[in-house]
Amino acid sequence: GENVEQHPSTLSVQEGDSAVIKCTYSDSASNYFPWYKQELGKRPQLIIDIRSNVGEKKDQRIAVTLNKTAKHFSLHITETQPEDSAVYFCAAIVLGYALNFGKGTSLLVTP
Amino acid sequence: SAVISQKPSRDICQRGTSLTIQCQVDSQVTMMFWYRQQPGQSLTLIATANQGSEATYESGFVIDKFPISRPNLTFSTLTVSNMSPEDSSIYLCSVESGRAYEQYFGPGTRLTVT
Repeated sequence: GENVEQHPSTLSVQEGDSAVIKCTYSDSASNYFPWYKQELGKRPQLIIDIRSNVGEKKDQRIAVTLNKTAKHFSLHITETQPEDSAVYFCAAIVLGYALNFGKGTSLLVTP
Repeated sequence: SAVISQKPSRDICQRGTSLTIQCQVDSQVTMMFWYRQQPGQSLTLIATANQGSEATYESGFVIDKFPISRPNLTFSTLTVSNMSPEDSSIYLCSVESGRAYEQYFGPGTRLTVT
């Protein structure tokens, strides 16, 4: 099945700096790559996604890039704020609708 | 996106008992899923709840332990049977809503087995 690797597992940045989280996937048939943000005690929230026919997508301070050849995709958060602190999960879909998640990155933004 | 609710939000259960978790959506959805999130861990798909037919289980999950019902396009239940402390987790339902493949999660059910 699909294997999604996510790095780093923890990330600490100063407020205003950028944060980058990287994921790799194993199945070249994967065609949808969402990112979820999970605050403590809350449900995962879909924050951005990218499909295999697109190389980059941006939404205000967050952006996602996809390199199909290398089978990796990344989340970029610019001008980080303390409220960006959360666990971020990448995921990939192959063979229909089953989301395979990475292990998560705990992001801490310090004022 | 759809509004998703789950009941109960949390429960503490004794070993050997069963708990049924309900997931309700405010609109009809084709695809509905159940995930488990063990403490401090990522999300693992348990099964896809299919309306009108048996659920499709992922490797490591079996129907006898996690029976699922999907009587219509807005509702599903997951039962955790013959519970042990290892079943202590958050159980989340999700639905595909909006554009293709977009999945949204319910608030989760926090289960503690003593």
